Amino acid sequence: EIVLTQSPDFQSVTSKEKVTITCRASQSIGSFLHWYQQKPDQSPKLLIKYASQSLSGVPSRFSGSGSGTDFTLTINSLEAEDAATYYCHQNSSLPQTFGGGTKLEIK
Amino acid sequence: QVQLQESGPGLVKPSETLSLTCTVSGGPASDGRFQWNWVRQPPGKGLEWIGNVYHRGTTNYNPSLKSRLTISLDTSKRQFSLKLTSVTAADTAMYFCARDHGGFDHWGQGILVTVSS
Repeated sequence: EIVLTQSPDFQSVTSKEKVTITCRASQSIGSFLHWYQQKPDQSPKLLIKYASQSLSGVPSRFSGSGSGTDFTLTINSLEAEDAATYYCHQNSSLPQTFGGGTKLEIK
Repeated sequence: QVQLQESGPGLVKPSETLSLTCTVSGGPASDGRFQWNWVRQPPGKGLEWIGNVYHRGTTNYNPSLKSRLTISLDTSKRQFSLKLTSVTAADTAMYFCARDHGGFDHWGQGILVTVSS
């Protein structure tokens, strides 16, 4: 099973700040890495697919990069509405797995 | 616009079977481009992939649940289902269904299932 390790687990940041969340895979997964945002009492929302592909309707301040084992989700100029937990997810091999999550608090 | 909706009982007794259905609207469940997934989230915890099914009924299961799990697809009803046998308190979670089209691009709202006598 591929283990995805996210860091940090928690981050408290101010609006307009730039945030970087990392996801490290226990073995190479190519670009089969996706990022989600989950707000309290909501289902997750896909932000970035295949490591760096942006999606229609997702604000341009969200971007992803990486391949192989090391991946990054970047949020430029954080907004209050970005307070949420962020998860990475791999579907390179079975079983599919998720990272443990990064909770983002806006000060 | 594709929408997914979970349905089923919110309370299941220990040792019994948890049965959930996900209804797909706004698009066919038979489209071979998609895989139909179940994901769960225990209260206050992270996401766990349960398994999936795709257009000809082919399934993939999480090994941690495989001995208790059945996922099936009914394209005529635009539904896919989950059955988890011999449940315990550890199976208490929010259960989500989700469509995989390069990442899980559509999710149901989730259904909370509590295992308790």
